[in-house]
Amino acid sequence: KNQVEQSPQSLIILEGKNCTLQCNYTVSPFSNLRWYKQDTGRGPVSLTIMTFSENTKSNGRYTATLDADTKQSSLHITASQLSDSASYICVVSEENYGQNFVFGPGTRLSVLP
Amino acid sequence: DVKVTQSSRYLVKRTGEKVFLECVQDMDHENMFWYRQDPGLGLRLIYFSYDVKMKEKGDIPEGYSVSREKKERFSLILESASTNQTSMYLCASSGRDRGQPQHFGDGTRLSIL
Repeated sequence: KNQVEQSPQSLIILEGKNCTLQCNYTVSPFSNLRWYKQDTGRGPVSLTIMTFSENTKSNGRYTATLDADTKQSSLHITASQLSDSASYICVVSEENYGQNFVFGPGTRLSVLP
Repeated sequence: DVKVTQSSRYLVKRTGEKVFLECVQDMDHENMFWYRQDPGLGLRLIYFSYDVKMKEKGDIPEGYSVSREKKERFSLILESASTNQTSMYLCASSGRDRGQPQHFGDGTRLSIL
């Protein structure tokens, strides 16, 4: 069964610190992997999209990595800000005829002053 | 910027009622999606549409139907609402290219009493 797991479930850090969120998946065949940020009460917003051939992609202070061999991805947040408090969702797209996205449960990040 | 607008942020209905959730996108996207989001679970696909009047069942279509009469509008219908359909409902759209991100609305929090 295609699955996406994320860890930790929740994380609390102090403003200015770095953190790394993890994503493991069993989706096959693989098309691409996405990270989304979801603020409380809002819809998810795309941060990065990586294909099989990409092993790192950055968007400002957000850097995503992908190891397609071990089926793992990470999202690294540098110099965290209060506005980074949100849920971060890992999504893996299955390579097939349709638009099949498998969503992880998300990691809830809280950045404290 | 792409805008996906959901008609209601909060909705309260009674068991057995027919409920309509509306979604409009302004970027001429071919694909539109309806998901539900429950605590501790990843987003789950209810229905997907890749063109006007075209639809495909997602992972949890039971108790729901959809309508796409115009390209920009995708409606989700709860034929006879039940308490287990209390949830956050998210609409998304994307272009035909599988590598494009999904753009989400801010969700409708639906309570069935």
